[in-house]
Amino acid sequence: DVKVTQSSRYLVKRTGEKVFLECVQDMDHENMFWYRQDPGLGLRLIYFSYDVKMKEKGDIPEGYSVSREKKERFSLILESASTNQTSMYLCASSIGGARDTEAFFGQGTRLTVV
Amino acid sequence: AQRVTQPEKLLSVFKGAPVELKCNYSYSGSPELFWYVQYSRQRLQLLLRHISRESIKGFTADLNKGETSFHLKKPFAQEEDSAMYYCALKNRGSTLGRLYFGRGTQLTVWP
Repeated sequence: DVKVTQSSRYLVKRTGEKVFLECVQDMDHENMFWYRQDPGLGLRLIYFSYDVKMKEKGDIPEGYSVSREKKERFSLILESASTNQTSMYLCASSIGGARDTEAFFGQGTRLTVV
Repeated sequence: AQRVTQPEKLLSVFKGAPVELKCNYSYSGSPELFWYVQYSRQRLQLLLRHISRESIKGFTADLNKGETSFHLKKPFAQEEDSAMYYCALKNRGSTLGRLYFGRGTQLTVWP
């Protein structure tokens, strides 16, 4: 079974803090994604990566950055957390290449910025 | 530009009743359509995709290119079907795997 693991289930951070959300996948997938999930807004893509050190902006990249130094790990960074970044964050991966099919999701990190 | 629309935010049915969750899309290329489901306190997971043309947990979905729809149907809803359902679209043949999601429909099946 593909396993996508997010380092924290719940996080509470203060406004202005730098926040790191970590995601690890164990199936040698090329593609990795960060979404935020908000009621009524569905899933919105923040950033994605199709290879080590490669990244692409999604639909809502403002206030976020990412890092992919190793294939299995994709980090989301909130440079200076704000209350409007309080949300559920989902990491996902997919195999990539010509065989790319479904995405596999982590369990989510519920971030509260106070 | 690609867009996925799920017109119903909430949908309630009684156990044993038919259920249909609507999904419409707009996309200029060749799309691949999916339904993802998130049960309470579980991670988001794939339910089915149009290419496989299979029935999962009694659910089916047919891609209608003329109406640009991919509605999810089940003839007899069960209480365990209560969940959040997301319709998603991908560029068929894309290696990047980027998905475009609708806003989701929360399905509640009453006993």
